Amino acid sequence: DVKVTQSSRYLVKRTGEKVFLECVQDMDHENMFWYRQDPGLGLRLIYFSYDVKMKEKGDIPEGYSVSREKKERFSLILESASTNQTSMYLCATSEPQGGNQPQHFGDGTRLSIL
Amino acid sequence: DQQVKQNSPSLSVQEGRISILNCDYTNSMFDYFLWYKKYPAEGPTFLISISSIKDKNEDGRFTVFLNKSAKHLSLHIVPSQPGDSAVYFCAASGGSEKLVFGKGMKLTVNP
Repeated sequence: DVKVTQSSRYLVKRTGEKVFLECVQDMDHENMFWYRQDPGLGLRLIYFSYDVKMKEKGDIPEGYSVSREKKERFSLILESASTNQTSMYLCATSEPQGGNQPQHFGDGTRLSIL
Repeated sequence: DQQVKQNSPSLSVQEGRISILNCDYTNSMFDYFLWYKKYPAEGPTFLISISSIKDKNEDGRFTVFLNKSAKHLSLHIVPSQPGDSAVYFCAASGGSEKLVFGKGMKLTVNP
């Protein structure tokens, strides 16, 4: 079974702080993704990475950056946290098969920005 | 512009009956479709998928139907169980590693 581990289940930070969300996977998957989930908006892609040090913007990258220095770890960075970044953040991984592979998700980090 | 639409935000059914969850898409380049289930405070769990070369895929109590001409897919759960109560997301991809998700639908199965 694929295991995707997000470092924190719940996190509370203050406006203006730099926030790091960590994701680690144990299945040697090439692709890793960061989403946020908000009520009524579904899952929206922030960034994804298809290889070490490679990244591509998703639908809502503003205010975020990412880092992938090792294959198993993908970090999401909120450069200067704002209240509108309060959300559930989900990390996912998949094998590169031209898109015809399911993504496997971690349990999420519920982030509150005060 | 929403490429994957789940037009009903919620559905309530009785235990033992059939649950039918619907999803429409607009992008004709989509060729792979998935359903995910999500419980509160957990990540989405992959349920079942279907390739555009098929019109039906079955896995136990779960069946996904694809109607390409109507750009419509549906998930049937038979028989429905209280443990099926969750938010269900439809997703699609078209030759890309990225998935496009619908907004989700909350299913409640009443005992």
